[in-house]
Amino acid sequence: ETGVTQSPTHLIKTRGQQVTLRCSSQSGHNTVSWYQQALGQGPQFIFQYYREEENGRGNFPPRFSGLQFPNYSSELNVNALELDDSALYLCASSLARGSLLFGSGTRLTVV
Amino acid sequence: RKEVEQDPGPFNVPEGATVAFNCTYSNSASQSFFWYRQDCRKEPKLLMSVYSSGNEDGRFTAQLNRASQYISLLIRDSKLSDSATYLCVVNSATSGTYKYIFGTGTRLKVLA
Repeated sequence: ETGVTQSPTHLIKTRGQQVTLRCSSQSGHNTVSWYQQALGQGPQFIFQYYREEENGRGNFPPRFSGLQFPNYSSELNVNALELDDSALYLCASSLARGSLLFGSGTRLTVV
Repeated sequence: RKEVEQDPGPFNVPEGATVAFNCTYSNSASQSFFWYRQDCRKEPKLLMSVYSSGNEDGRFTAQLNRASQYISLLIRDSKLSDSATYLCVVNSATSGTYKYIFGTGTRLKVLA
């Protein structure tokens, strides 16, 4: 079992900049989803990809976008960073409606 | 109303105690249910899936009540290592897509 890996682990960006976070899914999983977790809160669903197409989106503005690649790895892009975007970003892979397997996350700080 | 609601706690219990958490969800079309455990500054990890018939894994028992739209988690004989945040997760389908909705989590602290 390869697990889910995310990079980078920590990142500091300036307000207004753009950031790309990366995720490699668990082998055999065809669905990847991204979550934002602020301190003291549960993870908030950003969006989900299945076979390279977005098939679900939470209440996040269009400056949050993503991609899923043929090997099921994924990217989360955030444009025009705001201070409130500071959070732990979690990637999870799964099969259909099965349980989620999370990566260890990327902690983003926007200053 | 939030789609998934949990009592944030904290629940402070002595070692050996039995503690129960509840979680309610608003979408009656929800199809799968899970409890996750999250340690401080770590990623969530699956504790157990929740089935209509109820399921047990050692000291942990999960129940689903579809009529009342809630799920529960019971921890027996609490250990110090059970101290963590417990997240209720519901998978709901809307207009052909589906998404996982998390509660805010219930903090548990087991005291020596």
